Amino acid sequence: KQEVTQIPAALSVPEGENLVLNCSFTDSAIYNLQWFRQDPGKGLTSLLLIQSSQREQTSGRLNASLDKSSGRSTLYIAASQPGDSATYLCAVKGNKLIFGTGTLLAVQP
Amino acid sequence: GAGVSQTPSNKVTEKGKYVELRCDPISGHTALYWYRQSLGQGPEFLIYFQGTGAADDSGLPNDRFFAVRPEGSVSTLKIQRTERGDSAVYLCASSPQVAGGPGDTQYFGPGTRLTVL
Repeated sequence: KQEVTQIPAALSVPEGENLVLNCSFTDSAIYNLQWFRQDPGKGLTSLLLIQSSQREQTSGRLNASLDKSSGRSTLYIAASQPGDSATYLCAVKGNKLIFGTGTLLAVQP
Repeated sequence: GAGVSQTPSNKVTEKGKYVELRCDPISGHTALYWYRQSLGQGPEFLIYFQGTGAADDSGLPNDRFFAVRPEGSVSTLKIQRTERGDSAVYLCASSPQVAGGPGDTQYFGPGTRLTVL
């Protein structure tokens, strides 16, 4: 059974810092891995999707990597801003999308 | 264009009542998914449709939960004899295709917050 774990559960950083969010999964038989952002009371916004054959994806200040063999992904956020404050969820797609419990990020101005 | 919409945004009901939650996917998306998110948790898969048929309903917790998508577009999640433990945010998502490829990105609606008193 696929299990997805995210570390840390919560993170508070001052504005401008670079930061890394971690995601690990137990079953490497996945189609892809997706990182989402969730704002309070809102739905999920897809940030990056990495296919199983890819190693990383970049969008603006965000970079996500995937090491399928070790069951790990990282989301790197450069030059963090207060507007980045949200919960970040990773999810792996096998037969279905399995989510981690998320990392609650607070960027202090 | 319009994203995934869900109605109602909030639903408060009493234990034992029947509720229906509606999802309007992005036009043209063939795959539709329902998830349930409890406080402090990630979304948990319930069911997904490919077109009109339920391709995988293994996440439905019990037979009180049922979902339909009769015309391959709008979907309704139905919960009978609601219990307090059903309280959660119910999320709907759609995607252009089912598995693999760049079209597999799921686009989520804002969710329906269900509270069972």
